[in-house]
Amino acid sequence: GENVEQHPSTLSVQEGDSAVIKCTYSDSASNYFPWYKQELGKRPQLIIDIRSNVGEKKDQRIAVTLNKTAKHFSLHITETQPEDSAVYFCAASMADSWGKLQFGAGTQVVVTP
Amino acid sequence: DTEVTQTPKHLVMGMTNKKSLKCEQHMGHRAMYWYKQKAKKPPELMFVYSYEKLSINESVPSRFSPECPNSSLLNLHLHALQPEDSALYLCASSQRGSGNEQFFGPGTRLTVL
Repeated sequence: GENVEQHPSTLSVQEGDSAVIKCTYSDSASNYFPWYKQELGKRPQLIIDIRSNVGEKKDQRIAVTLNKTAKHFSLHITETQPEDSAVYFCAASMADSWGKLQFGAGTQVVVTP
Repeated sequence: DTEVTQTPKHLVMGMTNKKSLKCEQHMGHRAMYWYKQKAKKPPELMFVYSYEKLSINESVPSRFSPECPNSSLLNLHLHALQPEDSALYLCASSQRGSGNEQFFGPGTRLTVL
């Protein structure tokens, strides 16, 4: 089955700096890659996703890049703010998998003022 | 209505009790999911329902019994649980299965004594 690895496990950044989280996946059949943000005690919420026919997607301060050849994808957060502090999970899903998401282990991001 | 709701928010039960978790969505989504999440870990898929039919059972012990009475409701019946089953149980839904954003509910915090 699919295996997703996520790095780093923790990330401390100064407010205003950029944060990058990287994930690798094992199954080349994976074609959908969402990123979820989970604040303490809250539900996971989708912040951005990308499909395998696209190499990059951007939404304001957040961007995701996908390298299908290398089987890795990354989340980039620019101009970080304290409210970006949360756990971020990457995930991968294959077509015809009934929507099964394989999550990475998560990255705890702490933005210090 | 663009939310997934779950009841109860918190549940404490003994190992001999029978209880049920409930999940509801009114977004017209036809795929619904149960996840289990332990502290500082990613959500772990338990069950997927697609068009009210069980599509995935991730080898979950029979003490967890899912039910999908209609396209808006998803239940998880609990019986003879173990203390290690204590976790946050998240429900999610999506338009269909693969390649669609999953919307998560707030979860039920379950403690088994």
